[in-house]
Amino acid sequence: KAGVTQTPRYLIKTRGQQVTLSCSPISGHRSVSWYQQTPGQGLQFLFEYFSETQRNKGNFPGRFSGRQFSNSRSEMNVSTLELGDSALYLCASSFGQATDTQYFGPGTRLTVL
Amino acid sequence: AQKITQTQPGMFVQEKEAVTLDCTYDTSDPSYGLFWYKQPSSGEMIFLIYQGSYDQQNATEGRYSLNFQKARKSANLVISASQLGDSAMYFCAMRAPFDMRFGAGTRLTVKP
Repeated sequence: KAGVTQTPRYLIKTRGQQVTLSCSPISGHRSVSWYQQTPGQGLQFLFEYFSETQRNKGNFPGRFSGRQFSNSRSEMNVSTLELGDSALYLCASSFGQATDTQYFGPGTRLTVL
Repeated sequence: AQKITQTQPGMFVQEKEAVTLDCTYDTSDPSYGLFWYKQPSSGEMIFLIYQGSYDQQNATEGRYSLNFQKARKSANLVISASQLGDSAMYFCAMRAPFDMRFGAGTRLTVKP
């Protein structure tokens, strides 16, 4: 069974640009969650999508947005990039039950110059 | 509010010995899941083990076991017979209904 895939693996952008990250969940999983990981803040929850609807949202500005498609694939968009957005962005998928296990992808490492 | 605490920023263990990584949590939800993930330098978060709040027995997965003490709100990870490949960051996490929180992590170094 294929795991969670994320593309691209690495990105370099400049301040003010926007970026779109993609996540394909494990087959059969309907929930996709996104996390930002930085050395200073650790792992922070961005949002969760389930059946194309945002089910939960972390404490991030509106520049961070996402969506989920009917095949459960998800995209995350960050507009007007700031230096502080440099981070490892991880996506995780699960079946979508309240406390079930999330399986993570390899992450996208974003560098903002 | 949910909270996860890992008090050991770094741990060292000799190869082939056992090591315990500490984790305490706080939640008012009666239903929750506790998880441990391993993150090697490559960055990917690898799921290791899960314990449900209603599970009576401690979870085990190969060399990993979770020492679940519900009254003390602790969920320590025990790695038996450490291997060099176990060197990584380890994160404890708790998932109450639709709310996932991670601890700050413990960096484990296995010495040959």
